Amino acid sequence: NAGVMQNPRHLVRRRGQEARLRCSPMKGHSHVYWYRQLPEEGLKFMVYLQKENIIDESGMPKERFSAEFPKEGPSILRIQQVVRGDSAAYFCASLPPAGGTDTQYFGPGTRLTVL
Amino acid sequence: GDSVTQMEGPVTLSEEAFLTINCTYTATGYPSLFWYVQYPGEGLQLLLKATKADDKGSNKGFEATYRKETTSFHLEKGSVQVSDSAVYFCALNNRDDKIIFGKGTRLHILP
Repeated sequence: NAGVMQNPRHLVRRRGQEARLRCSPMKGHSHVYWYRQLPEEGLKFMVYLQKENIIDESGMPKERFSAEFPKEGPSILRIQQVVRGDSAAYFCASLPPAGGTDTQYFGPGTRLTVL
Repeated sequence: GDSVTQMEGPVTLSEEAFLTINCTYTATGYPSLFWYVQYPGEGLQLLLKATKADDKGSNKGFEATYRKETTSFHLEKGSVQVSDSAVYFCALNNRDDKIIFGKGTRLHILP
């Protein structure tokens, strides 16, 4: 049973470019969470999605950031017009349908570097 | 709002030493508490968890007890190994599934 998968593992972008980060949850998991880890900091919640729905995006910046979790395929975190301050590790976590457990399982992360 | 505070690192110990990493939390209600570990260049792995007061989570020789009276969830291990060198995160989930993390404690174990 594969764990949470994220790609790419490392992504380098120049200022002003777009970054697309992908997350495939564990098999049978329908809830996806994105977190951002700045250098030497803990993880901060960004957004919570279920299939085709954004449930809670209270931790995501209002501009340049968007997330989706389509009916088919991975969840995508999209950052438009990246700036140096977006350099961070972005982690995705997944959870089975409601009532299963409250333990989130994390992917290996995507380390974004903005030049 | 809910928060987690853990001891700042880095913590440097010799192999076979006793480890304690302090963690306290602030939350309404009855959150679940977690310790996650992050090895260099990797993602977070769940180390242990506890879901209610007085529960003890344990794994790989690590233990932590959910103490509601002191709002604490300190991580302990009786004899650390070099392979335990990593960053340890204390975290809580207060039923809304937005995990709140502490800032992490970097642990160095010297041979």
